[in-house]
Amino acid sequence: GENVEQHPSTLSVQEGDSAVIKCTYSDSASNYFPWYKQELGKRPQLIIDIRSNVGEKKDQRIAVTLNKTAKHFSLHITETQPEDSAVYFCAAVARQLTFGSGTQLTVLP
Amino acid sequence: GAGVSQSPSNKVTEKGKDVELRCDPISGHTALYWYRQSLGQGLEFLIYFQGNSAPDKSGLPSDRFSAERTGGSVSTLTIQRTQQEDSAVYLCASTAGTPDQPQHFGDGTRLSIL
Repeated sequence: GENVEQHPSTLSVQEGDSAVIKCTYSDSASNYFPWYKQELGKRPQLIIDIRSNVGEKKDQRIAVTLNKTAKHFSLHITETQPEDSAVYFCAAVARQLTFGSGTQLTVLP
Repeated sequence: GAGVSQSPSNKVTEKGKDVELRCDPISGHTALYWYRQSLGQGLEFLIYFQGNSAPDKSGLPSDRFSAERTGGSVSTLTIQRTQQEDSAVYLCASTAGTPDQPQHFGDGTRLSIL
């Protein structure tokens, strides 16, 4: 089945800097790649997603890039703010949705 | 409803007891998922429903775990003879149809086994 690996597991950045989280997937049939943000004690919430026919998607300070050949995709957060601190999960869908293990992002003031 | 609703929000029970967790998906969502999240860990897939059928039960950790869905809507996850390692947050999510649609999560049920 699908295997999604996510790195790093923890990431600390200074407020205003950029943060990048990377994921790789194993199933070349994967065609949908969502990213979820989970604040402490809260439900995971979709923040951005990308489909396999697109290489990049942006939404304000958040962007996701997809390299189908290499089977990896990344989340980029620019001008980070303290409220960006959370756990971020990537996921890939081939036959079913498979989540990565999560990245704890801490934005230091 | 407006979102995915789960109940109870918290459940504390003694080891060996059975528990039932409920998920009410977004109205019209045909697909429903159950996940388990231990403290500080990722999302562990348990089971997936399309309508009332469960095409993928591969994540259920043991035969003490079972789930059903009736009327293509509400789902219950039942854990029999609970063990301390069952303590976790159980999350439910629903989508409008195929897996390549955004999943909408409930707030989860925090289960504590004493």
